[in-house]
Amino acid sequence: KAGVTQTPRYLIKTRGQQVTLSCSPISGHRSVSWYQQTPGQGLQFLFEYFSETQRNKGNFPGRFSGRQFSNSRSEMNVSTLELGDSALYLCASRASNWPDYEQYFGPGTRLTVT
Amino acid sequence: AQSVTQLGSHVSVSEGALVLLRCNYSSSVPPYLFWYVQYPNQGLQLLLKYTSAATLVKGINGFEAEFKKSETSFHLTKPSAHMSDAAEYFCAVSESGGSNYKLTFGKGTLLTVNP
Repeated sequence: KAGVTQTPRYLIKTRGQQVTLSCSPISGHRSVSWYQQTPGQGLQFLFEYFSETQRNKGNFPGRFSGRQFSNSRSEMNVSTLELGDSALYLCASRASNWPDYEQYFGPGTRLTVT
Repeated sequence: AQSVTQLGSHVSVSEGALVLLRCNYSSSVPPYLFWYVQYPNQGLQLLLKYTSAATLVKGINGFEAEFKKSETSFHLTKPSAHMSDAAEYFCAVSESGGSNYKLTFGKGTLLTVNP
């Protein structure tokens, strides 16, 4: 079974621009979560989508948004980029049935904001 | 609120030596606990998970962890370190397995294995 895939793997943007990151979950997984990883703050939860609905959200400003499509693929958007948004953005998917609740992570998208 | 503390941001061991990475958690409900490993320029790989069925959990690559409720700990161990174990390790907790599921991670422990 193919793992979680994320595109693109690397991205360089300028402050003030917006960016969209894409995530394809493991086949059959309906839950997709996004995390931000930075050296200073570590790994932080952004949001989770399940069946096209956001059902959990972390403590990030409204510039960070996401959506999920009917095929469970998800996109994350960051508007008005700031230098502090430079990070590794990780997507994770999981099955929705007990006991398979662990999350499987993709390789991440490395975003650099200049 | 859930939280995780990993003691020691950097642990160095010799090849063949015991690996012990410490994790303490805080949770208001019985937690779901995980250990993940991250190699350079890669995502997170699940090592093992605590399911509440057994306090001693065995994972991949010879790692295991023991859940101790009284100590709110979930330390990761491996009897004999291998060079390929050098990576960063993250302990994580979730208070829910359902609709409120989200992982809270520790700051990570970088494991160095010396020949």
